[in-house]
Amino acid sequence: QQPVQSPQAVILREGEDAVINCSSSKALYSVHWYRQKHGEAPVFLMILLKGGEQKGHEKISASFNEKKQQSSLYLTASQLSYSGTYFCGTEERGTSYGKLTFGQGTILTVHP
Amino acid sequence: EAGVAQSPRYKIIEKRQSVAFWCNPISGHATLYWYQQILGQGPKLLIQFQNNGVVDDSQLPKDRFSAERLKGVDSTLKIQPAKLEDSAVYLCASSFTGTGASEQYFGPGTRLTVT
Repeated sequence: QQPVQSPQAVILREGEDAVINCSSSKALYSVHWYRQKHGEAPVFLMILLKGGEQKGHEKISASFNEKKQQSSLYLTASQLSYSGTYFCGTEERGTSYGKLTFGQGTILTVHP
Repeated sequence: EAGVAQSPRYKIIEKRQSVAFWCNPISGHATLYWYQQILGQGPKLLIQFQNNGVVDDSQLPKDRFSAERLKGVDSTLKIQPAKLEDSAVYLCASSFTGTGASEQYFGPGTRLTVT
């Protein structure tokens, strides 16, 4: 089942902060975050694993609440380059390792 | 390090025709994925290979879609016959392992338009 992302869209000015949420009704093993710019391929940002382990870029932070099956991506001091569509991909426990189900995306627009 | 390569980048066909897409993953990556991304939606997994074996193809419309990964490296995805609703971007991705701890690297995609 597809995870639900919120908000669907957010508009910021440079320097402002944003939080993007991802919620699943399934028990999760991991949550992946990707950013996709228009006409380009999704680019890896971060993986959050059950148990607290994280892998990702230094300037990106995120959290994973295993009890609620929710993840949040924190974008601080936003830059113009942060604009794009953010997708969370969830790996459900009991499914094939590496099988991701992506949310519908959150469109982030950063203005000067 | 070279990224995931895909071809063609764009393809326009008429409904009921057939089409094939090619993907070359990052060298050394054992796992290869094909995704379908319809405009305005997130990628949807069609099939996952581990080396040259299929791990998951539960969302692949097998009456019209087929995929293979020869020798555990390159892969092709075929649609025959195509329908209007197949219009989408087809993304290939690869990862070093097939575990959830392994990030997926995406290729540029093939944009398919079915008329």
